[in-house]
Amino acid sequence: DIVLTQSPATLSVTPGESVSLSCRASQGISTSIHWYQQKSNESPRLLIKFASQSISGIPSRFSGSGSGTDFTLSINRVESEDFSVYFCQQSYNLPRTFGGGTKLELK
Amino acid sequence: QVRLQQSGTELVKPGSSLKLSCKASGYTFTDYAMHWVKQRPGQGLEWIGFILPWNGVTGYNQKFKDKATLTVDTSSNTAYMELSRLTSDDSVVYYCARSVGQGVMDAWGQGASVTVSS
Repeated sequence: DIVLTQSPATLSVTPGESVSLSCRASQGISTSIHWYQQKSNESPRLLIKFASQSISGIPSRFSGSGSGTDFTLSINRVESEDFSVYFCQQSYNLPRTFGGGTKLELK
Repeated sequence: QVRLQQSGTELVKPGSSLKLSCKASGYTFTDYAMHWVKQRPGQGLEWIGFILPWNGVTGYNQKFKDKATLTVDTSSNTAYMELSRLTSDDSVVYYCARSVGQGVMDAWGQGASVTVSS
C-alpha cells in the first residue's frame, strides 16, 4: 500500500500568515494526489485535485503543487475559517490511502 | 445540488450485522463511483472500498474484505454498505463519497455514526 506522510501534525498560525502543508508518498505517484479540508464535526471537502488543479467554489488562497513523491498544499494568508484538519489522498493505486492529517490551529 | 444522504446514528450489538445506506440526488447516480470511508473520532480517514453503480463492480481494501459488502440499488439511487460481525472496533463514523474516474472524492455524505455495544 502507498503510505502518505503528512507534516507537520499540527501547525499553529495567526490569521494573515501564509502556510505550507506537506504530504510525502512512499513511492512515486505522478500527480495523483488530492487535498481535503475537514472542519470539526463535518465531512471532508475537496480542495485541490491532481496536485494542483483548482476546484470550483474553493477560495483562490488555496493552491497545490508537487509531483512524484512530494506535494504541498499552500494557503495564502490564512483566514479564521481555515482552522481545521487537512488530509491528502492518493488515487494512483488501490487501495486508496489518506495521509494522517495536519491540524491547522490558531496560535 | 449534489447530495449524499446517509442513514443516521446506529446502536448495534456485538456480533450483529448492519446495513448503512447512502441516497444520492442531484446527479446521475450511474455516472459516478461510490466510495466508503471509515473515520475514528478525531483521527484519520481509512478507505474501505468502492462500487461502480453502472455495473456493480467493486474494489475493496483487503483489510475490509471480510467485513464490508458494497451494493447499490439503481432504481432508488442508493448505495449500501453491509458490515458483518460487528465489534467495538467498528464503532466509528462511516462516510460515503462519490468520485468520477480516478478516485477524486468530490462530494461526501454527512457521515453515519455507529456504536457497537451490548
